Amino acid sequence: DTGVSQDPRHKITKRGQNVTFRCDPISEHNRLYWYRQTLGQGPEFLTYFQNEAQLEKSRLLSDRFSAERPKGSFSTLEIQRTEQGDSAMYLCASSPGGPGKYGYTFGSGTRLTVV
Amino acid sequence: GNSVTQMEGPVTLSEEAFLTINCTYTATGYPSLFWYVQYPGEGLQLLLKATKADDKGSNKGFEATYRKETTSFHLEKGSVQVSDSAVYFCALGGLQSGGTSYGKLTFGQGTILTVHP
Repeated sequence: DTGVSQDPRHKITKRGQNVTFRCDPISEHNRLYWYRQTLGQGPEFLTYFQNEAQLEKSRLLSDRFSAERPKGSFSTLEIQRTEQGDSAMYLCASSPGGPGKYGYTFGSGTRLTVV
Repeated sequence: GNSVTQMEGPVTLSEEAFLTINCTYTATGYPSLFWYVQYPGEGLQLLLKATKADDKGSNKGFEATYRKETTSFHLEKGSVQVSDSAVYFCALGGLQSGGTSYGKLTFGQGTILTVHP
């Protein structure tokens, strides 16, 4: 068990470019979550999957954001036409069931800087 | 809606001092409550949790008791160490309503703890 892996660790992009992040959860975890964290704030929920089904999306997830988990294993988060306000740490987490019982295991995050 | 409020930071203590970080919540249903810790340069790690009223979560000398009557989950440690310097996040989730468990956790804004030798 190597934990939750996120790639890349850091991404610097120009405004207007598209970026894609990848998350590999713990293999036996059927739930996968994406959060965004800005400096001095707690993580804010973006979306979550149970297996390949996307069960909930936050209003924070504008139409420029899309997430997939095509085979119920790894997930990708794409941001189109990036804006400076998208600069943040993007966190992925997974759990083997409901978080009320298990909590989350977080990855180390992808830090996005839009210049 | 559901929310978590943590005491304002940063908190600065000397080694071996007593620590309290306050956390209160607003939720419908019956949430589980969590404390996560983020050490410098690392991801968030689950520190402790409690799943029902009056439960006490504990780990690494830290404790927190789920108080439904005061909607609180304050984090305490009797004697902090320099290695406890980190950001601490209170969170709620796993809300139960009509037998349904909801998937996401809601986090507070975090409290920075710095412990000096």
